[in-house]
Amino acid sequence: NAGVTQTPKFQVLKTGQSMTLQCAQDMNHEYMSWYRQDPGMGLRLIHYSVGAGITDQGEVPNGYNVSRSTTEDFPLRLLSAAPSQTSVYFCASSYWAGSQETQYFGPGTRLLVL
Amino acid sequence: KQEVTQIPAALSVPEGENLVLNCSFTDSAIYNLQWFRQDPGKGLTSLLLIQSSQREQTSGRLNASLDKSSGRSTLYIAASQPGDSATYLCAALSGAGSYQLTFGKGTKLSVIP
Repeated sequence: NAGVTQTPKFQVLKTGQSMTLQCAQDMNHEYMSWYRQDPGMGLRLIHYSVGAGITDQGEVPNGYNVSRSTTEDFPLRLLSAAPSQTSVYFCASSYWAGSQETQYFGPGTRLLVL
Repeated sequence: KQEVTQIPAALSVPEGENLVLNCSFTDSAIYNLQWFRQDPGKGLTSLLLIQSSQREQTSGRLNASLDKSSGRSTLYIAASQPGDSATYLCAALSGAGSYQLTFGKGTKLSVIP
């Protein structure tokens, strides 16, 4: 198993550009989520999905869109990048959002918005 | 809204010492409490998960405890090694129906040889 994979590893964008951060898992996990990690702020939940076709907002959803057309993939879209979206983005997954399941994290995508 | 706090923010100890990392949370209605390790430039690795009905979990030199009533968890690391140097994050799973993980800001541990 490759686990949770994220692409790209690093990206530089100009303000106003759009891009999609890719996340895929090969563990047949139902629950997937996106976090951003900023210095002094910890990890904050952006969006999550409890299964294909079902998504919901987390703590900081503004400026981001998600969709879940398959169990394996959960892309995060930045519609119009802003410098405030400079961060490290982590995707995570688990079998289901239950009390016994830990989440598996991808290696992260470092995004710099100029 | 759940808030998770970790103290201290940074800790430096000589090799071989036993140490305790602290985590507190404001909403005791949690499903579980998880401890993660993060190495520089890397993702998060799960260390221990304590369900809300449990008091502690152990894995090797690591022991995590949970006291829901006081809103506290501790991670005990025995006989620390330089390889234990990393940032340790605790996270509380809560939120009726939404199952959201709320993270603390982490404790950066340095174990000096």
